[in-house]
Amino acid sequence: DTGVSQNPRHKITKRGQNVTFRCDPISEHNRLYWYRQTLGQGPEFLTYFQNEAQLEKSRLLSDRFSAERPKGSFSTLEIQRTEQGDSAMYLCASSPGTSGRGADTQYFGPGTRLTVL
Amino acid sequence: SQQGEEDPQALSIQEGENATMNCSYKTSINNLQWYRQNSGRGLVHLILIRSNEREKHSGRLRVTLDTSKKSSSLLITASRAADTASYFCATEGRWGGGSNYKLTFGKGTLLTVNP
Repeated sequence: DTGVSQNPRHKITKRGQNVTFRCDPISEHNRLYWYRQTLGQGPEFLTYFQNEAQLEKSRLLSDRFSAERPKGSFSTLEIQRTEQGDSAMYLCASSPGTSGRGADTQYFGPGTRLTVL
Repeated sequence: SQQGEEDPQALSIQEGENATMNCSYKTSINNLQWYRQNSGRGLVHLILIRSNEREKHSGRLRVTLDTSKKSSSLLITASRAADTASYFCATEGRWGGGSNYKLTFGKGTLLTVNP
């Protein structure tokens, strides 16, 4: 399978704990994105990387959230001191970044469902 | 914040019928994309239409875009039970407005196709 993969698929944690999610994008995709989706809503943008550079962050990404893409390949999203409001599906997507202006398709992974007790 | 608004929020049809979903958005866009999401699963990309295009087809899917009205529609013809899913429109904002490349999604339309 050469699609976007995410690990773990499910994570249950207690309030106050730290969690880390991993995303492996489609090989050779330059851009990588993180979104968050809560029940009954569409995904909301969190941040995106062009290779290893983090180029945009949403104001949804509080100081407790940090994302990295150290070698321009996989990415990690860490949430420190989790709160119950962090419970959501965290989606990762990647895109080629070479499809020309206005035509860069984002391909999504299956997501990591986080439950904070 | 959500940019797009899908209409209707829920749609129930019989197999073989056509399903039409609409999407409205607020700001200038580079492109508009439609995605499908089955219960508890990730998003599957269906079709991308650029801001300078008016209509696009892919198999049983037909997408239209009216930038003057800031709206789009997704038509699924000859629906099947397997088309049951949530459908989202997502817009990529115009560059220079601080929204390069990110997608802004609506809340989705829940389509149920009854066998």
